[in-house]
Amino acid sequence: QSVLTQPPSASGTPGQRVTISCSGSSSNIGSNTVNWYQQFPGTAPKLLIYSNNQRPSGVPDRFSGSKSGTSASLAISGLQSEDEADYYCAAWDDSLNGYVFGTGTKVTVL
Amino acid sequence: EVQLVESGGGLVQPGGSLRLSCAASGFTFSSYWMHWVRQAPGKGLVWVSRINSDGSITSYADSVKGRFTISRDIAKNTLYLQMNSLRAEDTAVYYCARDPYSSSCLGDWGQGTLVTVSS
Repeated sequence: QSVLTQPPSASGTPGQRVTISCSGSSSNIGSNTVNWYQQFPGTAPKLLIYSNNQRPSGVPDRFSGSKSGTSASLAISGLQSEDEADYYCAAWDDSLNGYVFGTGTKVTVL
Repeated sequence: EVQLVESGGGLVQPGGSLRLSCAASGFTFSSYWMHWVRQAPGKGLVWVSRINSDGSITSYADSVKGRFTISRDIAKNTLYLQMNSLRAEDTAVYYCARDPYSSSCLGDWGQGTLVTVSS
């Protein structure tokens, strides 16, 4: 059902850099900004990155976002154990006239 | 501090109705777009609906169009989601969220309320 595709899982050891991809199309990522959300089990999602690469106040600078064409990515530098969570990309879709989320990526810290 | 508190969830039979509420505080409610997002057990996030600041513009996901209605009461600082003709596949935690930048960016979220559709 999701129109934005993410890898189901990603992992790394503490201190490593992990990158999560988000693939979309011209009607969503290709023409609108991308946001990223972090979600821990049993809790509400939290905005992590907005407008492709902006961090809300309080989000550590080890989280960064980028966008190119119809794809976007989230990078976590200096991975920490507390980063173990689910991550979702999202963008407005002009064709669907709706907001679409990615399939979600579970990050595991080894 | 922005606070969003959902209520109204519960167990309902297929074909039944339910109205969710989201009480907002800590910001000027009448100035922001608001959204509903749901998450089925063990599944990903799915956008449901949005409403603009004065309630004049609404959008819905195809899966709920014609069955769900989003609205807001500015005087009560409350967002609503009226859900009719409920189906088993509507079972989920429903979150309300605020868009702080008017760009479909969900910056603040409530804790969610669980809706279970089952006989």
